[in-house]
Amino acid sequence: DAGVTQSPTHLIKTRGQQVTLRCSPKSGHDTVSWYQQALGQGPQFIFQYYEEEERQRGNFPDRFSGHQFPNYSSELNVNALLLGDSALYLCASSGLAGGLNIQYFGAGTRLSVL
Amino acid sequence: RKEVEQDPGPFNVPEGATVAFNCTYSNSASQSFFWYRQDCRKEPKLLMSVYSSGNEDGRFTAQLNRASQYISLLIRDSKLSDSATYLCVVTSAGTALIFGKGTTLSVSS
Repeated sequence: DAGVTQSPTHLIKTRGQQVTLRCSPKSGHDTVSWYQQALGQGPQFIFQYYEEEERQRGNFPDRFSGHQFPNYSSELNVNALLLGDSALYLCASSGLAGGLNIQYFGAGTRLSVL
Repeated sequence: RKEVEQDPGPFNVPEGATVAFNCTYSNSASQSFFWYRQDCRKEPKLLMSVYSSGNEDGRFTAQLNRASQYISLLIRDSKLSDSATYLCVVTSAGTALIFGKGTTLSVSS
């Protein structure tokens, strides 16, 4: 049973460019959440997708957008990259099974903006 | 004030020691509580959920005090493999996870 998979694992971009990160949820999960983790900080919630709609959003600018596909996989897009966008981007999937709504994380995409 | 605040680290302890981490949260409407563990440059992994009645999983014990908005994690008989960053996590509105900054534990032989 594959867990949450993310691609690519590492990415280097320059300021002003655009980037797309991808996530495939754990089998049986229908909800995907994205988090940004800067060095030395805890992950910060970006947004969550369910049934191909953005269900909840954190305090991130409109440069951050996303999409969920019918197979529940998801993309995170960031436009007009800033140096401060350099971080580990984590995808988490969840689904109501066994009671609690537990989120399971992928290994992340490490984005460096130069 | 941050939504979730944790003890500043790092905690450096010898093998076999007992160590306790504390966490406070600001939103009294918070509904679910967790401890996640994160190894260096890896993803966070769920260590345990935290319930009002307190719960134990082997050497790990978690406590929740809703009145004080306080969560704790106790690790007994520390192992070298317990070295990691421990993240206190709550959910408020919806199911978004709100993370603390994390507390780093280093267990030495």
